[in-house]
Amino acid sequence: NAGVTQTPKFRVLKTGQSMTLLCAQDMNHEYMYWYRQDPGMGLRLIHYSVGEGTTAKGEVPDGYNVSRLKKQNFLLGLESAAPSQTSVYFCASQRGGSEQYFGPGTRLTVT
Amino acid sequence: AQSVTQLGSHVSVSEGALVLLRCNYSSSVPPYLFWYVQYPNQGLQLLLKYTSAATLVKGINGFEAEFKKSETSFHLTKPSAHMSDAAEYFCAVSAGGSYIPTFGRGTSLIVHP
Repeated sequence: NAGVTQTPKFRVLKTGQSMTLLCAQDMNHEYMYWYRQDPGMGLRLIHYSVGEGTTAKGEVPDGYNVSRLKKQNFLLGLESAAPSQTSVYFCASQRGGSEQYFGPGTRLTVT
Repeated sequence: AQSVTQLGSHVSVSEGALVLLRCNYSSSVPPYLFWYVQYPNQGLQLLLKYTSAATLVKGINGFEAEFKKSETSFHLTKPSAHMSDAAEYFCAVSAGGSYIPTFGRGTSLIVHP
């Protein structure tokens, strides 16, 4: 039982490049989330999903897109990376009404 | 709407001293409340949760929290701090049939020898 895994763990992008972050969970959870964490800002919700094929915007969705084609996977895309998107990204999954399970994070640097 | 306020972005204690991390919430309906801990370069992990059962909740590593409805608080305590408790602590609330949690800004616990 791997829990929540994130790929990749580290990435450096140049401004304007694109990339996709993959989150996978093996707990059959309905809810999945993408957050970014920046110093002094806590966790900020980017997008979330309450089930396969559904997604919704969170607090800071601009510049990001997501897809949930399979229940166990939640993808976060950056179409044209900007230095302001330098951050640590966390994925989480949740069974409704219970606690969230977090992945180990992806550290992204955009130069 | 729901919100969470964590008082103090940094709390500093001596090893062996009481740990008190404050969390106040706002919710118009009975909430679910959570404390998470984040060690350096790791994801968050659950410390404890309140889901309308006992108001005093015990968690891992000797931490506990008490739900006080009249004060809309869910403060985290530990009788005696250990060096290994140094980490970032987050309080979160979900309520009103929406399971989407709202997180506080986090409190960094510093433990001095």
